[in-house]
Amino acid sequence: DTEVTQTPKHLVMGMTNKKSLKCEQHMGHRAMYWYKQKAKKPPELMFVYSYEKLSINESVPSRFSPECPNSSLLNLHLHALQPEDSALYLCASSPSDLNTEAFFGQGTRLTVV
Amino acid sequence: AQSVTQLDSQVPVFEEAPVELRCNYSSSVSVYLFWYVQYPNQGLQLLLKYLSGSTLVKGINGFEAEFNKSQTSFHLRKPSVHISDTAEYFCAVRWQAGTALIFGKGTTLSVSS
Repeated sequence: DTEVTQTPKHLVMGMTNKKSLKCEQHMGHRAMYWYKQKAKKPPELMFVYSYEKLSINESVPSRFSPECPNSSLLNLHLHALQPEDSALYLCASSPSDLNTEAFFGQGTRLTVV
Repeated sequence: AQSVTQLDSQVPVFEEAPVELRCNYSSSVSVYLFWYVQYPNQGLQLLLKYLSGSTLVKGINGFEAEFNKSQTSFHLRKPSVHISDTAEYFCAVRWQAGTALIFGKGTTLSVSS
């Protein structure tokens, strides 16, 4: 299994809703990442988990809350989002956080209304 | 600050013509270099990577890239493009152990018949 699986593929939520994005990989990778990508822009790093511990938080607002329940799963909990948070959210994983490529999921297209 | 520059935001080309997409980075210290492709509404797929060794690296779909340390460049090339190569291409860099991928702004490759 060489895939990073993200669910759901599409999500529409109101500004008062609470929702979660899920990411799963079964490649034995020990680093997992959340990126945010706006239209016509490159992915921007949000969070890095290394060995299930948060190692990088790129000054992301607290309305985004990451969670790594185990080495295969990564969640992004969303609460009180703003319309400008609408974007493609990409999950990625790599064998470790050292000098290797990252494997990306297909993303969740989030629309905040 | 460390940065990745993709010199062309858009590259239009005719089918079966050669193409070069340019990428420069700001520092040659311990760099690891990658090219990713993104088709519309999809995640990122790794085309090729340079970690060490031979400076000419070959990737999937007939793409190759050359690492040039003195010019701090990692240009992507394909000798003959197809319509199906139309996509967004991102150059990405990892500067040292423990950091995540940083992306250039992307180059839109448009192949027409």
